[in-house]
Amino acid sequence: AQSVAQPEDQVNVAEGNPLTVKCTYSVSGNPYLFWYVQYPNRGLQFLLKYITGDNLVKGSYGFEAEFNKSQTSFHLKKPSALVSDSALYFCAVRDFSSGGYNKLIFGAGTRLAVHP
Amino acid sequence: EAQVTQNPRYLITVTGKKLTVTCSQNMNHEYMSWYRQDPGLGLRQIYYSMNVEVTDKGDVPEGYKVSRKEKRNFPLILESPSPNQTSLYFCASSLQGGNQPQHFGDGTRLSIL
Repeated sequence: AQSVAQPEDQVNVAEGNPLTVKCTYSVSGNPYLFWYVQYPNRGLQFLLKYITGDNLVKGSYGFEAEFNKSQTSFHLKKPSALVSDSALYFCAVRDFSSGGYNKLIFGAGTRLAVHP
Repeated sequence: EAQVTQNPRYLITVTGKKLTVTCSQNMNHEYMSWYRQDPGLGLRQIYYSMNVEVTDKGDVPEGYKVSRKEKRNFPLILESPSPNQTSLYFCASSLQGGNQPQHFGDGTRLSIL
């Protein structure tokens, strides 16, 4: 069965420091991977995706993610955190086995808290 | 502005009273989906639609119905709501294709007493 794991419920980081939000996945075949961010009282917003090609993917708001096939990971990173980055982050993988090919399987989410 | 609009945003109701949550998108997307978000579980798919008049069950469809009579609209119907359907609900849409990101509405928080 395909799955996504976000091992940390919460990540705390000081403003200006680099941040990493971890994600590992389990899929059959090549993964299509996504990161979304959720701000309070808002829906999920797309940050970035990995489909194929360069393992380092750049996305919105200065975020990037590194795809590592051998470790089955897709960690989200940012060189310098901002207080405004504080939000709930979801990693997701496309499930091609059901859900009409567009279905996403989400991790449980990681709350990022950036302190001034 | 490209958007997915859900209504209502908040609803408190009682067990057994039928309710409908509307979802509308203005991006001409073929694919639409409903998710529920519960703490520690992430988002789980309830129902999805590949196009007009084409709908199918997701992972947690029990107690829900949907319809897709028009491309832009995908309402979620709870015929007889129960307390275990208290949750945060999201509608999403996208173009067809596994590499397309999904666009989400702002959510509907349902409380079933």
